[in-house]
Amino acid sequence: GAGVSQSPSNKVTEKGKDVELRCDPISGHTALYWYRQSLGQGLEFLIYFQGNSAPDKSGLPSDRFSAERTGGSVSTLTIQRTQQEDSAVYLCASSPIVLPDTQYFGPGTRLTVL
Amino acid sequence: AQKITQTQPGMFVQEKEAVTLDCTYDTSDQSYGLFWYKQPSSGEMIFLIYQGSYDEQNATEGRYSLNFQKARKSANLVISASQLGDSAMYFCAMREGNNAGNMLTFGGGTRLMVKP
Repeated sequence: GAGVSQSPSNKVTEKGKDVELRCDPISGHTALYWYRQSLGQGLEFLIYFQGNSAPDKSGLPSDRFSAERTGGSVSTLTIQRTQQEDSAVYLCASSPIVLPDTQYFGPGTRLTVL
Repeated sequence: AQKITQTQPGMFVQEKEAVTLDCTYDTSDQSYGLFWYKQPSSGEMIFLIYQGSYDEQNATEGRYSLNFQKARKSANLVISASQLGDSAMYFCAMREGNNAGNMLTFGGGTRLMVKP
């Protein structure tokens, strides 16, 4: 079956511009997560959506970061006024909400801020 | 304090031998889940194995097994009969709490290199 998809796969932008990253989760998975992986580092949690509940935004590093999930499916992560330190791979994952709640990851979007 | 600690930044193993990748965790929850992921140079995160905190048996998936020692709060990954394709970064992760569907906390990873 189809896995998690993300677009674009690569994004190069200039400092100060806004970017939008898209995630399509696995059909039927009600939980969706965004993580960030800086070069050579582990994954850092950003935001988590589950069903119709209010998202857990506790991992967002600043108010320049926001995310939404429309219709309980597709999600968009928006970074406003990008900074060079935002350069990283942004990974999306989805999971069922029954155990084992394994998170399946998309291929990621590599963001480069010049 | 780190919630997930992987103390081996890099490991070498000879092809066909077994290797153990260490992972210790810190949580006050009684119910939690432990996961291992593989990240090859292509960057994708590949799920390998899951262990629930109440699972009495160590999880196994093919050549992967998880050596779960709850009292020591360790969840080491054992890869048997290493293959060249096993060369990758390996991440240990934990989902805290009883509710399925919660964020994962990741360790810093271990880079495994399999020698021919």
